Amino acid sequence: QVQLQESGPGLVKPSETLSLTCTVSGGSISIYYWNWIRQPPGKGLEWIGYIYYSGSTKYNPSLKSRVTISVDTSKNQFSLKLSSVTAADTAVYYCARSFNWNYPTPQGVWGQGTTVTVSS
Amino acid sequence: QSALTQPASVSGSPGQSITISCTGTSSDVGGYNYVSWYQQHPGKAPKLMIYDVSNRPSGVSNRFSGSKSGNTASLTISGLQAEDEADYYCSSYTTSSTLVFGTGTKVTVL
Repeated sequence: QVQLQESGPGLVKPSETLSLTCTVSGGSISIYYWNWIRQPPGKGLEWIGYIYYSGSTKYNPSLKSRVTISVDTSKNQFSLKLSSVTAADTAVYYCARSFNWNYPTPQGVWGQGTTVTVSS
Repeated sequence: QSALTQPASVSGSPGQSITISCTGTSSDVGGYNYVSWYQQHPGKAPKLMIYDVSNRPSGVSNRFSGSKSGNTASLTISGLQAEDEADYYCSSYTTSSTLVFGTGTKVTVL
């Protein structure tokens, strides 16, 4: 079955850009919606945004000005870029696939998560 | 968009039933039947337990059930077991085509 794996730097300096990639294995990235979700230490889940395989996106309004999600169908990957990071962006970042191919919610498949710390 | 409101904690004894509420607005929970519930054990990724208000994915115990009335959705766990101790989050689609999560509820099995 399909599996997701996040990858990227675990430490990012304040004001720089956080970049993560989610690699999809065991299935094609074509069709389905692909999400990024994060969880600050000891806190709840926060939806960051999603991308459809065709490239259309939707972002959390509170992060919209700093977020870019893109997809590379040739590599079966999708990516997250979050600019101008601060300590408040320290979190476990999850990538997730929609449960159904034709709707962005719910999330049926999750990666294991990757911890990103923002610190100088 | 504001996070959906959940109680911080709910507890129950083994075998009992508990219910977790998830309150939103007519722009999210009340506007669509796209409410889902996730279970998260410490250090693990969330797991989908209920989708589209009351549907269970294959493999999820029928002890878990969901419902909705107006702007409030609910997750009920019947026959509470030790393995049910975890954090639970609701989520909803919104009128802006975005997604929003609940504040999360810690379930303790006494």
